Amino acid sequence: SQQGEEDPQALSIQEGENATMNCSYKTSINNLQWYRQNSGRGLVHLILIRSNEREKHSGRLRVTLDTSKKSSSLLITASRAADTASYFCATRQSPYFGANSKLTFGKGITLSVRP
Amino acid sequence: EAQVTQNPRYLITVTGKKLTVTCSQNMNHEYMSWYRQDPGLGLRQIYYSMNVEVTDKGDVPEGYKVSRKEKRNFPLILESPSPNQTSLYFCASSTFTRQGPYEQYFGPGTRLTVT
Repeated sequence: SQQGEEDPQALSIQEGENATMNCSYKTSINNLQWYRQNSGRGLVHLILIRSNEREKHSGRLRVTLDTSKKSSSLLITASRAADTASYFCATRQSPYFGANSKLTFGKGITLSVRP
Repeated sequence: EAQVTQNPRYLITVTGKKLTVTCSQNMNHEYMSWYRQDPGLGLRQIYYSMNVEVTDKGDVPEGYKVSRKEKRNFPLILESPSPNQTSLYFCASSTFTRQGPYEQYFGPGTRLTVT
């Protein structure tokens, strides 16, 4: 099963509204990363939050991390039609150097922002 | 310009005909990785490399080979492609520390069809 599972699978909102996407994971992590993918293109890194951080901001993006619940959320404020894309969370499963450096992505959330 | 390049971008081949997809990065990154993306399954890691001559299996390594003889290059080899390897493939690179792989820079993708 996936280490990172995003929720919901699809989200449709009106331009100007906020979009909240969630990611849950199973094992301890060192960091959690969020990515964006426009249709069929390579993923683009949005933000990285470390396991000792609880919240991080970047422009209209706000990411939170709750290690006790093993979950993270990505909030996009004042959404725009150009935010329409798929969003993925990614985690490194083991915190121990060299023990396991796989990076695991979730299945993604499809966000549609209606003009 | 910092970038990850992949070649070819599109490839149609027949079952059993060996092929190589090249990947190159110009950012002096230690960590390189190959992913495949399939509808409904998200992004799955095939192989990764933490540095020259250091490679390890991701979640779906069967049917693939990789090598890391130079820091900038990380080719993906399909010795005997089969139709279930039809997919969209992405190469990515990043810095790597004790905290694990950081922000992944993705290539544009290679769409492979095996008939």
